[in-house]
Amino acid sequence: DVKVTQSSRYLVKRTGEKVFLECVQDMDHENMFWYRQDPGLGLRLIYFSYDVKMKEKGDIPEGYSVSREKKERFSLILESASTNQTSMYLCASSPSVQPQHFGDGTRLSIL
Amino acid sequence: AQSVSQHNHHVILSEAASLELGCNYSYGGTVNLFWYVQYPGQHLQLLLKYFSGDPLVKGIKGFEAEFIKSKFSFNLRKPSVQWSDTAEYFCAVGPGNNRKLIWGLGTSLAVNP
Repeated sequence: DVKVTQSSRYLVKRTGEKVFLECVQDMDHENMFWYRQDPGLGLRLIYFSYDVKMKEKGDIPEGYSVSREKKERFSLILESASTNQTSMYLCASSPSVQPQHFGDGTRLSIL
Repeated sequence: AQSVSQHNHHVILSEAASLELGCNYSYGGTVNLFWYVQYPGQHLQLLLKYFSGDPLVKGIKGFEAEFIKSKFSFNLRKPSVQWSDTAEYFCAVGPGNNRKLIWGLGTSLAVNP
């Protein structure tokens, strides 16, 4: 069974902090994704990566960056956290083509 | 622009009622189609998928979906819902060999016992 593990279920940070969200998958998947999920807005893609050190912007990349130094790990970075980045963050991985497998999510609150 | 539309944002049913959730997409080429479910407090999980072949797809927990190419639709059905089906349901479309998915906004289903 595919396992996608996100480092934290809940996280509270302050405005202006640099925030790191970590995600690890154990299925040697090529692709990894970061989404944010907000009520009424569904899932919005922030960034995705299709290989080590490769990344592509999604629909809402502003204020975020990512890092993929190893195939199994994909990190989301909030360079300077703001209150409008309070959200549920979901990490997913997939083989060459779909489907995507999701982690439990990180509920991030920026105070 | 490619998009996925889920017709119902909130659905309330009584146990044993039949369920049909609509999903339409706008993309003219080959697509892979998915329904995901998110139970309260749990992660998104795959309910069923369509890649090719029989347009009537059966998934877990008694769910099924029918791909109607001419209508660009992939509606989710269940003949008799249970309280445990209370969840949020997302339709997603993968155009061709695209690595990304296009997501609908989700339908929140509440089943009253």
